[in-house]
Amino acid sequence: AQKVTQAQTEISVVEKEDVTLDCVYETRDTTYYLFWYKQPPSGELVFLIRRNSFDEQNEISGRYSWNFQKSTSSFNFTITASQVVDSAVYFCALSETEDKIIFGKGTRLHILP
Amino acid sequence: DTGVSQDPRHKITKRGQNVTFRCDPISEHNRLYWYRQTLGQGPEFLTYFQNEAQLEKSRLLSDRFSAERPKGSFSTLEIQRTEQGDSAMYLCASSLDRVGGETQYFGPGTRLLVL
Repeated sequence: AQKVTQAQTEISVVEKEDVTLDCVYETRDTTYYLFWYKQPPSGELVFLIRRNSFDEQNEISGRYSWNFQKSTSSFNFTITASQVVDSAVYFCALSETEDKIIFGKGTRLHILP
Repeated sequence: DTGVSQDPRHKITKRGQNVTFRCDPISEHNRLYWYRQTLGQGPEFLTYFQNEAQLEKSRLLSDRFSAERPKGSFSTLEIQRTEQGDSAMYLCASSLDRVGGETQYFGPGTRLLVL
């Protein structure tokens, strides 16, 4: 069965600090996809990244970076030099079948000015 | 390039009433998905369409729920005889069907409150 665990329910950091959001997943498939989505207070889910199971290269996009480690079944997300606009709920997600996505419960991130 | 749109954005109804939501996907996307999100939880998959064919339904989708995508473009999700437990955000997403999969892009959601 597939499962995504985001152990951090809520995190608060002061602006300009770095913050890492943890994600651990479970799957029996060798081919799967991992995602991160952001949900600001407006409610719309904003796509951040999609990674397939064969690509373990870490990725950096501006202040965002992702660390994918198959050995520990983790796909962690780091925001460098956080800003107040980064405040949102962040969801890690997994898809085995290229259709439905299984989401974690999310981590609510507060960036304090 | 317009994104996924959903209508209405908010709906308040009384228990026992029927409600219908509409989703318009990104124009060239042939896959359309419905998810439900309750407070403090991540979205949960309900069903999806490839063109007009409904290919999978979650066990969460009880007999009171029905989804259609008659011409392979927009979709409707109807809930009959609503219950208080149906109160949630209903999210629609769309994607292209390509080898290797494709990213799902979400709409703003319809927030349902059943009194």
